[in-house]
Amino acid sequence: SAVISQKPSRDICQRGTSLTIQCQVDSQVTMMFWYRQQPGQSLTLIATANQGSEATYESGFVIDKFPISRPNLTFSTLTVSNMSPEDSSIYLCSTKEGEKLFFGSGTQLSVL
Amino acid sequence: AQSVSQHNHHVILSEAASLELGCNYSYGGTVNLFWYVQYPGQHLQLLLKYFSGDPLVKGIKGFEAEFIKSKFSFNLRKPSVQWSDTAEYFCAVMSSSASKIIFGSGTRLSIRP
Repeated sequence: SAVISQKPSRDICQRGTSLTIQCQVDSQVTMMFWYRQQPGQSLTLIATANQGSEATYESGFVIDKFPISRPNLTFSTLTVSNMSPEDSSIYLCSTKEGEKLFFGSGTQLSVL
Repeated sequence: AQSVSQHNHHVILSEAASLELGCNYSYGGTVNLFWYVQYPGQHLQLLLKYFSGDPLVKGIKGFEAEFIKSKFSFNLRKPSVQWSDTAEYFCAVMSSSASKIIFGSGTRLSIRP
């Protein structure tokens, strides 16, 4: 099974700044996914990141706010840009191996 | 577009009661279905999954789910719950044409000891 290392595990940021979250997978994977879990809510898919192409964003999420990089098959970053308190959430990266979904440990972001 | 509905937002049961959590999905093609559990302060864990074959799927910790294609449902069941089952439960669907997994809004299960 895939092991995903995600960092930072938590951060407290000021309004208007940006934070980049990194995910490293211990094996090569085709697709990586970025989810957001706001307090008391379910996981919402932000985007799907494929190596060598632009990320595919879900409705309500745009590249200017959540730019994603996928430079190779084991690594991806998500940036939360120009943060506001509404961006306070847990951000999770994940990948699939077969039909099973694996999650990183999550980044708990608090925006003041 | 695929979507998942969990109609029970919060369920409260006593220990030893039977559990059934509803999950309905919206997608006309072939789907893979999942139930995940998130215990307080922990990450998501896979409870069970359905890909094909027997529509009654057994998972970990005594949970099972039944896929009823005609009803677009994948309800989660457990005959006798324990206090340790207190958690958030998420139904999820993945269509065969798309590789992304979409989660339902979740059902919070509280068990009275």
